[in-house]
Amino acid sequence: ETGVTQTPRHLVMGMTNKKSLKCEQHLGHNAMYWYKQSAKKPLELMFVYNFKEQTENNSVPSRFSPECPNSSHLFLHLHTLQPEDSALYLCASSQDWFSESPDTQYFGPGTRLTVL
Amino acid sequence: DAKTTQPPSMDCAEGRAANLPCNHSTISGNEYVYWYRQIHSQGPQYIIHGLKNNETNEMASLIITEDRKSSTLILPHATLRDTAVYYCIVRVSIIQGAQKLVFGQGTRLTINP
Repeated sequence: ETGVTQTPRHLVMGMTNKKSLKCEQHLGHNAMYWYKQSAKKPLELMFVYNFKEQTENNSVPSRFSPECPNSSHLFLHLHTLQPEDSALYLCASSQDWFSESPDTQYFGPGTRLTVL
Repeated sequence: DAKTTQPPSMDCAEGRAANLPCNHSTISGNEYVYWYRQIHSQGPQYIIHGLKNNETNEMASLIITEDRKSSTLILPHATLRDTAVYYCIVRVSIIQGAQKLVFGQGTRLTINP
């Protein structure tokens, strides 16, 4: 049990659909992250929120729109995606993005997204 | 780009110690080494981290060379459930105070019965 949950676990959507991925952490952390893992590629950091403020946007296309209403919840809104966006989307949390001391990230189980 | 290099795959017999090497020759003095593992299609699981001293927890041991250019993750008694991709990661500083994990391709460890 990592304390980070993600819903849905699987999602199939068409290129004209709008959907949202949800992440919730029960660890009292202040930083939350979205990662993308495409087939046979390393995890890529997409977005970072620290104390509800977006502090990192790793050149992600605008068809991905994050939202962080509070330190426990993180959303990734999806619209007009392409088939190459099919991937495992992982959420993670940690105590503090700007922590000088070791700051371990804890990951959720991921959402397997397929874009048709 | 990942700052670590790992063998793409390794095999180990069940019950034996699994020793996973990692090279991080460009690591900076204040950068930590982290190990995570990912069982098929699940989220990465934190295992252990260290700076310069050897570390041990209930999952594994981490041995870091004195020059910090390489490390070894040791699973003392591997079980079939330890089959996974193991990532050695250097936590990279991007701006003052902010650091991020840069994942590479990892080592696919297979535990054989």
